[in-house]
Amino acid sequence: AQSVAQPEDQVNVAEGNPLTVKCTYSVSGNPYLFWYVQYPNRGLQFLLKYITGDNLVKGSYGFEAEFNKSQTSFHLKKPSALVSDSALYFCAVRAPVSGNTPLVFGKGTRLSVIA
Amino acid sequence: ETGVTQSPTHLIKTRGQQVTLRCSSQSGHNTVSWYQQALGQGPQFIFQYYREEENGRGNFPPRFSGLQFPNYSSELNVNALELDDSALYLCASSSGGEQYFGPGTRLTVT
Repeated sequence: AQSVAQPEDQVNVAEGNPLTVKCTYSVSGNPYLFWYVQYPNRGLQFLLKYITGDNLVKGSYGFEAEFNKSQTSFHLKKPSALVSDSALYFCAVRAPVSGNTPLVFGKGTRLSVIA
Repeated sequence: ETGVTQSPTHLIKTRGQQVTLRCSSQSGHNTVSWYQQALGQGPQFIFQYYREEENGRGNFPPRFSGLQFPNYSSELNVNALELDDSALYLCASSSGGEQYFGPGTRLTVT
């Protein structure tokens, strides 16, 4: 069975500084990996995904994520944080099979960007 | 916005009651998945419907049931509500690719 770990409940960063939100995963085979963001009283918004190809994936709002197979990690990064990036971030994994398999989410990391 | 809508936005029910939540999927999407997000947790997969048939289920009891209609909209029904059912219920639609989530229904059981 697949699983995701987000080791940090909270990440604080100053506006303009780079940010990293960590994620490690466990899955049999090559994983499908995702990052979603959730703003207060809103559903989940898709940021980016890794299926295959380049280990560095670029997504929405200037976010990117680096897939590292040897470390089974998929950390979310942004070179320069904005106050508006403050939200709850979820890493998710899907089993690498055809069809619509469900997402398995981590517990989430709350990002706080301080002006 | 994803084009996935859910109703109602908020709901308060009493323990033991039954509830129905609704989801309209994005146009062209034939698969709907339901997730439960308890406070401080990530979403947990409840079940998935593909072309009106349930084709996957998470670790939830049978009192959680669902339907998908010919227009691919969906319902989640929960019988005999318990206090621990209080959560944000999210539906997501897809068509072989990534899942697009609705804004959720906040259910409070008292």
